[in-house]
Amino acid sequence: KAGVTQTPRYLIKTRGQQVTLSCSPISGHRSVSWYQQTPGQGLQFLFEYFSETQRNKGNFPGRFSGRQFSNSRSEMNVSTLELGDSALYLCASSLDPIAGTRETQYFGPGTRLLVL
Amino acid sequence: GESVGLHLPTLSVQEGDNSIINCAYSNSASDYFIWYKQESGKGPQFIIDIRSNMDKRQGQRVTVLLNKTVKHLSLQIAATQPGDSAVYFCAEANTDKLIFGTGTRLQVFP
Repeated sequence: KAGVTQTPRYLIKTRGQQVTLSCSPISGHRSVSWYQQTPGQGLQFLFEYFSETQRNKGNFPGRFSGRQFSNSRSEMNVSTLELGDSALYLCASSLDPIAGTRETQYFGPGTRLLVL
Repeated sequence: GESVGLHLPTLSVQEGDNSIINCAYSNSASDYFIWYKQESGKGPQFIIDIRSNMDKRQGQRVTVLLNKTVKHLSLQIAATQPGDSAVYFCAEANTDKLIFGTGTRLQVFP
């Protein structure tokens, strides 16, 4: 079974631009979570989608948004990019057959975003 | 990815020795815990998990111990190999999101 895939793998943008990152979960997985990883802050939760609905959200500004499609694929968008948005953006998927249960999250390779 | 950087605690072990990586978690209501391994340029890779109704779980060469009294989690790697060199993260779940620790860098030398 193929793992979580993320595109693109690398991206360079300038301040003020916007960016869209894509994530395809493991086949059959319905929950997709996004994380930001930086040397200073470590791994921080952005948001989680399940059945095309945002179910949980971390403490990030509204410039960070996402969505999930009916096939469970997800995208996240960052508008008005700032230098501090440079990071590795990771997507993770899980089965989540029953709401509220704990299921292992499997990560993709990430998209490395550099904002100049 | 290079993951957490400059101030990561580092554990250096000799090849063949056992490694113990420790983690303190924050929320006594957390009921699910996972250890991940992250190699340079890659996303975190699932190693082993444990639920709060257990205090020990074993995998292949790895064992996770959970001490809920002191909110402590540890990962033991038996017969550490060069391929085990990576950053290791513990994560706790108390709602529907994971909260990650800062990570420990494991360096294996011959």
